[in-house]
Amino acid sequence: SQQGEEDPQALSIQEGENATMNCSYKTSINNLQWYRQNSGRGLVHLILIRSNEREKHSGRLRVTLDTSKKSSSLLITASRAADTASYFCATNSGYSTLTFGKGTMLLVSP
Amino acid sequence: KAGVTQTPRYLIKTRGQQVTLSCSPISGHRSVSWYQQTPGQGLQFLFEYFSETQRNKGNFPGRFSGRQFSNSRSEMNVSTLELGDSALYLCASSLGSGSAYNEQFFGPGTRLTVL
Repeated sequence: SQQGEEDPQALSIQEGENATMNCSYKTSINNLQWYRQNSGRGLVHLILIRSNEREKHSGRLRVTLDTSKKSSSLLITASRAADTASYFCATNSGYSTLTFGKGTMLLVSP
Repeated sequence: KAGVTQTPRYLIKTRGQQVTLSCSPISGHRSVSWYQQTPGQGLQFLFEYFSETQRNKGNFPGRFSGRQFSNSRSEMNVSTLELGDSALYLCASSLGSGSAYNEQFFGPGTRLTVL
């Protein structure tokens, strides 16, 4: 069953614009991770944020976590055509498995 | 270091057959997890192996099984294939057990089509 729910399901922007994707989850978590998947290929790990952290940065990526609202957001700044992909949030709730959301499809047009 | 490799990349089977998929983790990684990805259900956890032991299992029928060898390579087997087993099967490796605490490195996946 899906724990995380990404919003929006699809997002279309122009190069240079920022893209924001949100993830909501239902139960308490140990950490939340974001992954990227290009067109039916393997997933690439982007960022892991622990439940006691509120914000993390990695290059053009910024992730926030609000455990009181059970939500997280992924911001991609100055997007590029190469950022076109599906983005998934995955939660860990104390077991050693990741529970993935259904993803946000991001299209960045040149 | 070479990444996670999965073989075969594409597979076509018919209902009732069985299939074995293979995953070679990154050198030095001892944990291997398997996931099934379908358009309807998304990414779902199948099982995790660490040091040849199954550590966790997702909510899948017993037709889905796996194993891990002493060199950390893993195989998963699906018996009596059903149309609904058509999916992208992803393997991920990490240094330690407890996949959620360790960054997971995913392979390119095996695309299984059941006719």
